[in-house]
Amino acid sequence: DAGVTQSPTHLIKTRGQHVTLRCSPISGHKSVSWYQQVLGQGPQFIFQYYEKEERGRGNFPDRFSARQFPNYSSELNVNALLLGDSALYLCASSFGEQFFGPGTRLTVL
Amino acid sequence: QQPVQSPQAVILREGEDAVINCSSSKALYSVHWYRQKHGEAPVFLMILLKGGEQKGHEKISASFNEKKQQSSLYLTASQLSYSGTYFCGTAWMDSSYKLIFGSGTRLLVRP
Repeated sequence: DAGVTQSPTHLIKTRGQHVTLRCSPISGHKSVSWYQQVLGQGPQFIFQYYEKEERGRGNFPDRFSARQFPNYSSELNVNALLLGDSALYLCASSFGEQFFGPGTRLTVL
Repeated sequence: QQPVQSPQAVILREGEDAVINCSSSKALYSVHWYRQKHGEAPVFLMILLKGGEQKGHEKISASFNEKKQQSSLYLTASQLSYSGTYFCGTAWMDSSYKLIFGSGTRLLVRP
């Protein structure tokens, strides 16, 4: 069975640009969560979507947005990138337990 | 509001046991344990639900103390492959959909 997939694997952007990260959940899972993990810290919750509806949002600015598509895949968008947005962005697919994808490592220069 | 994990770091010899603790200041709905190796994503180990039983495999198990809002992860007869950073992710009763993670416990198992 395929696990959670994310793309791209790595991304380098400059300040002020925007970025779109993509996630495909495990087949049969209808819920997708996004987390940001800065080096040396635990993942921080950004969003959860369930059945295409936003179920919850963490303490992140409005520059962060997301959506979920009818096939349950999801996109995370970040506008006006800041140096501090450099992190590993993790997508988790859940049906009770949350399983993480490999992540997208974003570097903002 | 972030759960508190202890210890922050531990070094073991292969075959030794370890306990990692996770404490929350709010009422918990569930606790999720993960192991993360350097440069990789966190890997799911187990979930403990409020009112549930202790869970585990042969050498990795966990418990959930509802009175104390604490969970403990038990690693017995540790193997080299157990090295990594262990995170607990806690879901609160009023927002069970999101996980709040502790700062992690770094575990190093040496031959």
